[in-house]
Amino acid sequence: DGGITQSPKYLFRKEGQNVTLSCEQNLNHDAMYWYRQDPGQGLRLIYYSQIVNDFQKGDIAEGYSVSREKKESFPLTVTSAQKNPTAFYLCASSMTYPPTYEQYFGPGTRLTVT
Amino acid sequence: QKEVEQDPGPLSVPEGAIVSLNCTYSNSAFQYFMWYRQYSRKGPELLMYTYSSGNKEDGRFTAQVDKSSKYISLFIRDSQPSDSATYLCAMTDSSASKIIFGSGTRLSIRP
Repeated sequence: DGGITQSPKYLFRKEGQNVTLSCEQNLNHDAMYWYRQDPGQGLRLIYYSQIVNDFQKGDIAEGYSVSREKKESFPLTVTSAQKNPTAFYLCASSMTYPPTYEQYFGPGTRLTVT
Repeated sequence: QKEVEQDPGPLSVPEGAIVSLNCTYSNSAFQYFMWYRQYSRKGPELLMYTYSSGNKEDGRFTAQVDKSSKYISLFIRDSQPSDSATYLCAMTDSSASKIIFGSGTRLSIRP
């Protein structure tokens, strides 16, 4: 089955710890994205990558880091510098050629930091 | 002011009713408009996509865009309990470098 997988589904961490969220896709998409979803705020873009070994900051990149060493993988690290890390994190991917505006989303990871 | 405004609801209607979900936007550069459906604790999935003013129909769903008023709508006919979800509008300009999402409307269809 083609799609995007995110793991784990639920993640609990203590304040001050870094945590890495996994995102893998087998859709052969060039572009990948990380969003954060909070109640009543929709999806906010954290980072995106349109090609391997390249990525750009989104609207709320502070306290987060990413890497894109493989086309299939785009892990997100939530660092201790992120002031309010508890949220639902969504990974998405899309084709860049031919151009498409459709993003395919993974099932999400719910991170709780206490 | 947010670039995209969407009534968060929640909206509760009886089964079989016609549902109207709406978004307004402020950026006249937006040209591509999408509706995503998100079931509880799941990722969003694309429901409909359009780039022109007017109506686009797909089964029980109709997407409507009015660029002059900067207003888009999603209509659901003969609503079913399985339509209960959060609906997110989304839009982007011709570069598609970034998609802006509305905050989502939570919809509940009562059997």
